[in-house]
Amino acid sequence: GAVVSQHPSWVICKSGTSVKIECRSLDFQATTMFWYRQFPKQSLMLMATSNEGSKATYEQGVEKDKFLINHASLTLSTLTVTSAHPEDSSFYICSTMTSGGAWETQYFGPGTRLLVL
Amino acid sequence: AQTVTQSQPEMSVQEAETVTLSCTYDTSESNYYLFWYKQPPSRQMILVIRQEAYKQQNATENRFSVNFQKAAKSFSLKISDSQLGDTAMYFCAFLEADEKLTFGTGTRLTIIP
Repeated sequence: GAVVSQHPSWVICKSGTSVKIECRSLDFQATTMFWYRQFPKQSLMLMATSNEGSKATYEQGVEKDKFLINHASLTLSTLTVTSAHPEDSSFYICSTMTSGGAWETQYFGPGTRLLVL
Repeated sequence: AQTVTQSQPEMSVQEAETVTLSCTYDTSESNYYLFWYKQPPSRQMILVIRQEAYKQQNATENRFSVNFQKAAKSFSLKISDSQLGDTAMYFCAFLEADEKLTFGTGTRLTIIP
């Protein structure tokens, strides 16, 4: 399967600061990336779909001005949590879909644990 | 909207035994994909197995196999000769073309030594 990395793996920040999370596809070109959020003992919730070179598509209820997504290249998408608050504390996971071949299979990054104090 | 149901929140089995995790889904489409993902304590989501709905043959990957019943909209995962490393959360997921991946609520599987 494809290799996806995320950085940082965990971050602690103060309330009101912004945090940027990077998602990289290491061995293929990812035209589409997805950002998920996972609360403890719950399933993954899709936040947005990131397409290279265009604006992200956000799911209902997800604030696009709070969760800024940039997909500037075929190997990198970033999620910025702006003015983070304690309720934003969660596990954020990205996934990618290949630009050809097995389009239907998503490969996931290792996740980023965010704690907002 | 598609729904994916995993009716077993938790399961446990002795090492080396066989365990089956259940999953049902709801859709009106005939072409779609089904997946089982494993999330161990590290929380890395790992693809275990996938099934194309147009294929009648059940997918297998070493000790992992599925029982895909299209008419019943059922997609169970069988783990044979279970190992301690199989301890994890298992998520069933459903995907239609140009739609988002829909996950079930997960089954926490514990392999007992």
